[in-house]
Amino acid sequence: AQTVTQSQPEMSVQEAETVTLSCTYDTSESNYYLFWYKQPPSRQMILVIRQEAYKQQNATENRFSVNFQKAAKSFSLKISDSQLGDTAMYFCAFMNRGSQGNLIFGKGTKLSVKP
Amino acid sequence: DTGVSQNPRHKITKRGQNVTFRCDPISEHNRLYWYRQTLGQGPEFLTYFQNEAQLEKSRLLSDRFSAERPKGSFSTLEIQRTEQGDSAMYLCASSLYPRGETQYFGPGTRLLVL
Repeated sequence: AQTVTQSQPEMSVQEAETVTLSCTYDTSESNYYLFWYKQPPSRQMILVIRQEAYKQQNATENRFSVNFQKAAKSFSLKISDSQLGDTAMYFCAFMNRGSQGNLIFGKGTKLSVKP
Repeated sequence: DTGVSQNPRHKITKRGQNVTFRCDPISEHNRLYWYRQTLGQGPEFLTYFQNEAQLEKSRLLSDRFSAERPKGSFSTLEIQRTEQGDSAMYLCASSLYPRGETQYFGPGTRLLVL
């Protein structure tokens, strides 16, 4: 069974600085997707970034980028130029491409951006 | 594109009562997922549909839970004889298979069982 581990329950960062959230996963599959979702307080979950396992190039979306280390089964999220609106729970999630496609989530990291 | 919607947003009920939640996916999406999220945890998969067929159910989905997607559009999740342990956020997500792997989430229904 696949598992996703986020070892940082809470983090904080000053506005405009950079922060990295950690995620490790365990799987015997070779074809899968990894995602970072953001869940702001009392608001719905939205996709931040996704990575296909077969792609060696790390995904980037504006201020958000990932460091995908397939051999180490590590998938960290870097947020550059942090903004107050980045304050949220961040969930790392795994999807086995060969399965029914349900997401397996970590427990989340609560990120607070301080002015 | 109106996104995924869920109703009601909040539900308070007494133990032993039945409750039903509704999810309307993004209109062209053929896959619909239900997840449950308890406080301090990530969402956990409950079940999913492809069109009207329910293709997978988690072991978390006890016999008191039933889900339907009768016409392959909206879905309902019913919990019979609710228990306090059912208190959670129930999330719905949809995706377009096989053209897209990204699941888009609704705002959730927060259930409190007294």
